[in-house]
Amino acid sequence: EDKVVQSPLSLVVHEGDTVTLNCSYEVTNFRSLLWYKQEKKAPTFLFMLTSSGIEKKSGRLSSILDKKELFSILNITATQTGDSAVYLCAVTSSGSARQLTFGSGTQLTVLP
Amino acid sequence: DAGITQSPRHKVTETGTPVTLRCHQTENHRYMYWYRQDPGHGLRLIHYSYGVKDTDKGEVSDGYSVSRSKTEDFLLTLESATSSQTSVYFCAISGRSDRSSYEQYFGPGTRLTVT
Repeated sequence: EDKVVQSPLSLVVHEGDTVTLNCSYEVTNFRSLLWYKQEKKAPTFLFMLTSSGIEKKSGRLSSILDKKELFSILNITATQTGDSAVYLCAVTSSGSARQLTFGSGTQLTVLP
Repeated sequence: DAGITQSPRHKVTETGTPVTLRCHQTENHRYMYWYRQDPGHGLRLIHYSYGVKDTDKGEVSDGYSVSRSKTEDFLLTLESATSSQTSVYFCAISGRSDRSSYEQYFGPGTRLTVT
């Protein structure tokens, strides 16, 4: 059974801080790891990583995948109150009808 | 944003009654999914579809059934609702026919309360 574990469960920081969110996984026939952001509504897609060592960047957000150690990190620099959300990590495997297995998420709160 | 809608957005129903939730997409995506989201459990897959009339069970399928008679619509039915099915239900889509990407796009969600 595929498994995704995220840490920490919650995090409180102040604006301008840099945060690192962690995601470890166990999956058969790994294909990709995905990050989502969820505010008080539906999850929105951030990144998909397939190859190890490739860093994805989008503005202040970046993510790295380590397929040898089976983990990924999501970095957010110069945090803003608008970054407050639950960040979800998910994995998918080859030949799985593109099913995603999600972690429980990290609740990030950015204080002004 | 992917064109995906869910109806109803909110519903309160009584234990033992049947409930049907609808997911509608305008993006011609092949794959459709139903999830439930509960505190402490994250998103859990209920059922999914990989084509018209092609469906399969997910992690938490007991008490739920689905149907997909056309590409655009994926229905989730609770045959006899129970209080444990109180949750937020999300539909998601993936795999537009001209792309091989694996990311899923989510609908706005349906908040279901079973009293």
